[in-house]
Amino acid sequence: AQSVSQHNHHVILSEAASLELGCNYSYGGTVNLFWYVQYPGQHLQLLLKYFSGDPLVKGIKGFEAEFIKSKFSFNLRKPSVQWSDTAEYFCAVNQVHNNDMRFGAGTRLTVKP
Amino acid sequence: DAGVIQSPRHEVTEMGQEVTLRCKPISGHDYLFWYRQTMMRGLELLIYFNNNVPIDDSGMPEDRFSAKMPNASFSTLKIQPSEPRDSAVYFCASSLAGFSDGYTFGSGTRLTVV
Repeated sequence: AQSVSQHNHHVILSEAASLELGCNYSYGGTVNLFWYVQYPGQHLQLLLKYFSGDPLVKGIKGFEAEFIKSKFSFNLRKPSVQWSDTAEYFCAVNQVHNNDMRFGAGTRLTVKP
Repeated sequence: DAGVIQSPRHEVTEMGQEVTLRCKPISGHDYLFWYRQTMMRGLELLIYFNNNVPIDDSGMPEDRFSAKMPNASFSTLKIQPSEPRDSAVYFCASSLAGFSDGYTFGSGTRLTVV
């Protein structure tokens, strides 16, 4: 079945640690890829997106993600996390020529000060 | 633009009552989506509209749920009758065709059915 998988349910880091959150998808064909962030009690906001071109995408707040087509992956990274990065992170996939977006289950990130 | 506007922000209702959630998408967006978020099931797509027409409602859990989009600037999600297991945060999102900027989400409606 087509799906979006986020490997880590809950990640706990100390400030200044490096972050990598995994995302794999099982859709065939051409896809658009997104990472969203949801701060506690708030709605989802777009962090970054990949449509085509350079597979290393830079987003807001120092986040970046790398699309590896052969691995069907789109992992999110940040070299040095801050306490304010505490939030839930969702990977999402939209198949080109399809009209909806499917989300992973989310990864909760807790950054300890 | 004020973004995607949802109302109410919070709703507490008794089991069996009718609940109506409202959404105003961003002006000019072609697509409108309703999602439900729970701890157990994460984000689930319920239904989406393109140019006010429902395209895919396969995610609507059962006949108690219905959604309408009478015009480009307004959509409702109705639950009748409501049940405790419907308790969740319901998000509305809108997008341009092609999803060049992804979806823009509303602030959500937190529904509690007691």
